[in-house]
Amino acid sequence: GDSVTQMEGPVTLSEEAFLTINCTYTATGYPSLFWYVQYPGEGLQLLLKATKADDKGSNKGFEATYRKETTSFHLEKGSVQVSDSAVYFCALAATGGGNKLTFGTGTQLKVEL
Amino acid sequence: EAGVVQSPRYKIIEKKQPVAFWCNPISGHNTLYWYLQNLGQGPELLIRYENEEAVDDSQLPKDRFSAERLKGVDSTLKIQPAELGDSAVYLCASSLSWTGRNEQFFGPGTRLTVL
Repeated sequence: GDSVTQMEGPVTLSEEAFLTINCTYTATGYPSLFWYVQYPGEGLQLLLKATKADDKGSNKGFEATYRKETTSFHLEKGSVQVSDSAVYFCALAATGGGNKLTFGTGTQLKVEL
Repeated sequence: EAGVVQSPRYKIIEKKQPVAFWCNPISGHNTLYWYLQNLGQGPELLIRYENEEAVDDSQLPKDRFSAERLKGVDSTLKIQPAELGDSAVYLCASSLSWTGRNEQFFGPGTRLTVL
């Protein structure tokens, strides 16, 4: 079945450091890929998405490129801020899956001054 | 515009007791989802509604879980009786429809603790 694997956390970085959170997936067909963010005490929010191979999703300085050849969708940001501290979830919606989202286990990011 | 509303935010019950969670989706959203999120895990779909019809309930443990969306708007998820392993966060989400990979908007969740 469909699955998403993302790097375990917590990831601790200093402010202005470069961020990479790895995400790989297994799915049939051509899924859509997403990154969701969950701030403390809040619900999941869509951060960015990509719907086909080589698409790049971007938002708030975060980027991720849909790489079908490596089945990956790694999240990157050039300079993190303390306010980026949250849990990040990689997810996919399979073709013909009725918009059902399959999530990874989440990666906690802590950004320190 | 109001987001997805869930209540209660927190619930503590003893095992074998019943519990119910309520969700009000974003106005105009026809599709409603209930997800279960265990500690340290990503959310997992329990049930998906298109208007008032449950079109995907394959992951819902039907021996103790039930859900309804009678008028195609708000929804209730019930557990009866609750077990210790049901302690988790129950998330509700909504989208305009299930086609076209419409963005799902999530509520803040209900954190259930079963003692």
